[in-house]
Amino acid sequence: GEDVEQSLFLSVREGDSSVINCTYTDSSSTYLYWYKQEPGAGLQLLTYIFSNMDMKQDQRLTVLLNKKDKHLSLRIADTQTGDSAIYFCAEIFAGNMLTFGGGTRLMVKP
Amino acid sequence: GAGVSQTPSNKVTEKGKYVELRCDPISGHTALYWYRQSLGQGPEFLIYFQGTGAADDSGLPNDRFFAVRPEGSVSTLKIQRTERGDSAVYLCASSFTGGWDNEQFFGPGTRLTVL
Repeated sequence: GEDVEQSLFLSVREGDSSVINCTYTDSSSTYLYWYKQEPGAGLQLLTYIFSNMDMKQDQRLTVLLNKKDKHLSLRIADTQTGDSAIYFCAEIFAGNMLTFGGGTRLMVKP
Repeated sequence: GAGVSQTPSNKVTEKGKYVELRCDPISGHTALYWYRQSLGQGPEFLIYFQGTGAADDSGLPNDRFFAVRPEGSVSTLKIQRTERGDSAVYLCASSFTGGWDNEQFFGPGTRLTVL
């Protein structure tokens, strides 16, 4: 089973903010990532946060990290229909392998 | 090309057959990874190469799975005696040197269907 958990589905209206949540189990994770997967396309790295940070902002994306609760979130401001995709959080702590969550499918309604 | 490429994009085979999946990493990337993504799930790590050697093969599910990277560039994932449960998208990624501070760039994947 996966050590990283995400809710399965999120639906928002175009222009609203989207918040995708993730919980992880390994407190020694060094980097935490958000990937986007569109149909027929490879995984695209959206953003990442180092474990000693609480927040990172990158244009419309805001990542929040709560290490105490092992909770990671991705906020997408002004969500557009082109943001519809599956979003995966992932952690890396030992070696080089990424451990992914099960993915959250974001649907943006016009 | 500039990105990671994988061939074939789709592979349909029969139970018990042998298959090979190919990955061409980004030129100059020494680290190469294989992941497997089953339907409705996130990718799961299979194996990691640093140069020609398999630095971590802890994710390979059993001895039917094997991967090589003989010249430190192209890699081939080999599956013997395929089973229906092997059906998944097999993803390859590469990074410049490996390690947690090096972004892994993913290819589009090979969709394997075992009938």
